Amino acid sequence: EVELVESGGGLIQPGGSLRLSCAASGFTFSTYSMNWVRQAQGKGLEWVSYISSTSGTIYYADSVKGRFTISRDNANNSLYLQMNSLRDEDTAVYYCARGTSNSWYNFDYWGQGTLVTVSS
Amino acid sequence: IRLTQSPSPLSASVGDRVTITCRASQSISKYLNWYQQKPGKGPKLLIYSASSLQSGVPSRFSGSGSGTDFTLTISSLQPEDFATYYCQQTYNTPPTFGGGTKVEIK
Repeated sequence: EVELVESGGGLIQPGGSLRLSCAASGFTFSTYSMNWVRQAQGKGLEWVSYISSTSGTIYYADSVKGRFTISRDNANNSLYLQMNSLRDEDTAVYYCARGTSNSWYNFDYWGQGTLVTVSS
Repeated sequence: IRLTQSPSPLSASVGDRVTITCRASQSISKYLNWYQQKPGKGPKLLIYSASSLQSGVPSRFSGSGSGTDFTLTISSLQPEDFATYYCQQTYNTPPTFGGGTKVEIK
């Protein structure tokens, strides 16, 4: 059974840094692209970042470009999101989501999310 | 690419036929997905490429459309279908989502 479990969220002051992790199981992690998607409380979904299966292709939303870094460790079936220079507007639940084999942005499995709160 | 969903919210009863629409700000061919989200959970992929049913999704869900206008239809609403539904375009980067349609109990 495919499972994605996010961790690393918490309360952080503006300007601070946080590293999110996503532990994957139940599938061959190294053959799938992965994404981060976030959702502010009571709001809609916002795509954050994409990484290909080999880490050869990476994309970011303009809202996080230059501040966030996506990475993966295929040997340990893990996805990461390093978040620096955090702002109030980065407060959200962050989901990791798997891309399907035929489309980078068709997200067929999602984790339960980890809450990031940026506040002083 | 901006996606506009309607209506929101949508009040319906068990057994009703429900239709949700999604309009794109430019043509996206058939690069349109639909997701269902329940409180406290990650979204679930229902329909991809405008009209293809994701594996394991009940056949009462169907999607149609191309270009700029798309619909998600639930043929007979079940109690477990009360949730929020989002459309998503995958035509280009960044992929974007509609604002969501909450299907509520009438």
